[in-house]
Amino acid sequence: EADIYQTPRYLVIGTGKKITLECSQTMGHDKMYWYQQDPGMELHLIHYSYGVNSTEKGDLSSESTVSRIRTEHFPLTLESARPSHTSQYLCASSATDRGQETQYFGPGTRLLVL
Amino acid sequence: SQKIEQNSEALNIQEGKTATLTCNYTNYSPAYLQWYRQDPGRGPVFLLLIRENEKEKRKERLKVTFDTTLKQSLFHITASQPADSATYLCALAGWGGNKLVFGAGTILRVKS
Repeated sequence: EADIYQTPRYLVIGTGKKITLECSQTMGHDKMYWYQQDPGMELHLIHYSYGVNSTEKGDLSSESTVSRIRTEHFPLTLESARPSHTSQYLCASSATDRGQETQYFGPGTRLLVL
Repeated sequence: SQKIEQNSEALNIQEGKTATLTCNYTNYSPAYLQWYRQDPGRGPVFLLLIRENEKEKRKERLKVTFDTTLKQSLFHITASQPADSATYLCALAGWGGNKLVFGAGTILRVKS
């Protein structure tokens, strides 16, 4: 089991609320990622970071924002939640060995916006 | 555009049989390919990596093949068990630090 943690695991919240999904890893990995995944669908990359103070948007447009102030911490924030944000959010960090990257995922946060 | 295709229909097999899952890709020249396992409500877990110059890789009951001419990888689980039931994702990456791209996955159900 990888040392990457996400909180909360489940969140039910009303429209318009601000939320922050937490992700922490204790492996010292520089690269971290946020994915969005709907049931039975593929992972969609929404944000990534290659190190402290580095953040980039992923392939899927998202209204969320991220920050990377510390290596181990990569929180995702939604300023005003909407029902369309309902999904599972997965955080990952990665290690690179001989040019090949392996990703380690957290357990995910399942978000329901009413 | 780059595309990864995995069987969208679930694969149902009997315990003890070999499960074979397929990953096809187009418009892509991956440096390596990975397989992950994902259980319901959980994040994917890395299983195996195979490089572009490798034909086959094994780990316990798992075997992966990689045919860059056919643009296809096959993932085999021998002597399958009900505990192998999960969704299996393939992921590809190019050289130079390109990000991993994941397929949608195939659901495997092993019945006792």
